[in-house]
Amino acid sequence: GENVEQHPSTLSVQEGDSAVIKCTYSDSASNYFPWYKQELGKRPQLIIDIRSNVGEKKDQRIAVTLNKTAKHFSLHITETQPEDSAVYFCASPGAAGNKLTFGGGTRVLVKP
Amino acid sequence: GAGVSQSPSNKVTEKGKDVELRCDPISGHTALYWYRQSLGQGLEFLIYFQGNSAPDKSGLPSDRFSAERTGGSVSTLTIQRTQQEDSAVYLCASSGVVGTGAGYTFGSGTRLTVV
Repeated sequence: GENVEQHPSTLSVQEGDSAVIKCTYSDSASNYFPWYKQELGKRPQLIIDIRSNVGEKKDQRIAVTLNKTAKHFSLHITETQPEDSAVYFCASPGAAGNKLTFGGGTRVLVKP
Repeated sequence: GAGVSQSPSNKVTEKGKDVELRCDPISGHTALYWYRQSLGQGLEFLIYFQGNSAPDKSGLPSDRFSAERTGGSVSTLTIQRTQQEDSAVYLCASSGVVGTGAGYTFGSGTRLTVV
């Protein structure tokens, strides 16, 4: 089955700086890569996703890049704000495409 | 409904007792998933239902765990003879998008504590 590795496990940044989280996946046939944000005590919520036919996607301060050759994708948060503090999860469905395998999560702390 | 609803939100049970966790997906969503999140950990896949197809049970950790989905809607996850290592948040998600992993909407979860 699909295997997803996520780094770093924790990330502390100063407000206004950028944050980058990286994930690698194992199944080269995987074609969809979402990122979820989970605030403390809340449910995970989709914040951005990318399909394998594009290399980058942006939505305001967040962007995701995909390198299919290397089988890795990254989340970029620019101009971080305290409300960006949360746990972020990447995921990949693998070849079967019917369920997501999640990375281990990155706890982001934005210091004011 | 407007979102995925899970009940109870919290459950404390004694070791060895059985528990049932309920998930009510978004109306019309054919795919339903159960995941487990242990404290400070990632999301561990448990089971997946898609329409009338046989469920994908490949993530269930032991035969003490089972799940059913009645009428293609509500799902119940049952844990028999609970153990302390079963303590976790159990998350349900549903999706109206088939075959891509897209469109997950998560419920708020059931926090299970086995004492």
